Amino acid sequence: GNSVTQMEGPVTLSEEAFLTINCTYTATGYPSLFWYVQYPGEGLQLLLKATKADDKGSNKGFEATYRKETTSFHLEKGSVQVSDSAVYFCALRTEAGTALIFGKGTTLSVSS
Amino acid sequence: NAGVTQTPKFRVLKTGQSMTLLCAQDMNHEYMYWYRQDPGMGLRLIHYSVGEGTTAKGEVPDGYNVSRLKKQNFLLGLESAAPSQTSVYFCASSYSSQISNQPQHFGDGTRLSIL
Repeated sequence: GNSVTQMEGPVTLSEEAFLTINCTYTATGYPSLFWYVQYPGEGLQLLLKATKADDKGSNKGFEATYRKETTSFHLEKGSVQVSDSAVYFCALRTEAGTALIFGKGTTLSVSS
Repeated sequence: NAGVTQTPKFRVLKTGQSMTLLCAQDMNHEYMYWYRQDPGMGLRLIHYSVGEGTTAKGEVPDGYNVSRLKKQNFLLGLESAAPSQTSVYFCASSYSSQISNQPQHFGDGTRLSIL
């Protein structure tokens, strides 16, 4: 079946460090891929998305590239800030699907 | 711009009690969803709706019922609450998923504790 696997957290970084959160997926066809972010006490917000192979989604300094050959959509940021501390969810929606399929989430904690 | 609004934000129930969670969206979205979020489990789909008057089961529908009488509202009901239903519940909405790249917009969640 369709699924999303994220690296387990928590990920703990110092301010200005480089961030990578790994995400791989299993799906038929050509799904759309998403990263959502959840700040403490809030709902999920769309961070970025990519809809076809080799697309790069980007927002707020975060980037992720849709890699069909490795079925991956890793999230990266060159220099994290304390305000980036949150839970990050990778998700997919298949061409025939209705709802999103989420990974279990990765908690990021950034200290100054 | 309200987006997706969930009420209530917090609730404590006793086992066996019933309650309804309300979700309202003002974006004229066709699709609406209810998820639950549990530690280490990510978000799991409970029920969803692809339009007014329609509902369908998701991954974990047991113990819940839903109704979509108006396009802008999606209600989640617990007829007889159980401690296993202690969770954070999120409502989301989106345009038609016939276009798979449409993102979902989420509410801020309802934190429900069942004693």
